[in-house]
Amino acid sequence: NAGVTQTPKFRILKIGQSMTLQCTQDMNHNYMYWYRQDPGMGLKLIYYSVGAGITDKGEVPNGYNVSRSTTEDFPLRLELAAPSQTSVYFCASSYHTGSDEKLFFGSGTQLSVL
Amino acid sequence: GQQLNQSPQSMFIQEGEDVSMNCTSSSIFNTWLWYKQDPGEGPVLLIALYKAGELTSNGRLTAQFGITRKDSFLNISASIPSDVGIYFCAGRRGSYIPTFGRGTSLIVHP
Repeated sequence: NAGVTQTPKFRILKIGQSMTLQCTQDMNHNYMYWYRQDPGMGLKLIYYSVGAGITDKGEVPNGYNVSRSTTEDFPLRLELAAPSQTSVYFCASSYHTGSDEKLFFGSGTQLSVL
Repeated sequence: GQQLNQSPQSMFIQEGEDVSMNCTSSSIFNTWLWYKQDPGEGPVLLIALYKAGELTSNGRLTAQFGITRKDSFLNISASIPSDVGIYFCAGRRGSYIPTFGRGTSLIVHP
């Protein structure tokens, strides 16, 4: 019962470095999402995907890129890390039917950019 | 984008007390979802609501879908220490991506 798996759990980056946050799900969900969580600010949607090969911007996409080459995987790429990207990142997935949709979240990646 | 106002922002209560929190929106939603996030973990779905006026329970938790479809409420009865965490509401309109509230941080003193 793996569900949504995120790696790494923690990471410290220097300004300007790049990295990829990995996310994979084994529930055959069509929709996948990336959120960031800042203290007191809730969950902000970065990017989402409605299926393999299709991605779209969320509320706060600047500084990030995504790809969805398979149903299972939805990596998030930071090209030039900035201190403003210090946050906790959550990947989620759902089976979108149009009427009943529940998001399942991974356990998060805590990223610090120094 | 759609805005959800979730209140209160934080609550400090004694074990055994009841808890109430709510979410309001300027937009009508077709679905309301309530999630709980334990420290160091991702949010987990507690209750899903699909119809105006619907009242749904999950153990000591009860959630309601407001009649106006612009609000939802979550109540926790007889709180216990493991209720500690952040509670998020999320609203969904049609086939749109859910919008999340900012969360209510709950601390329960034994």
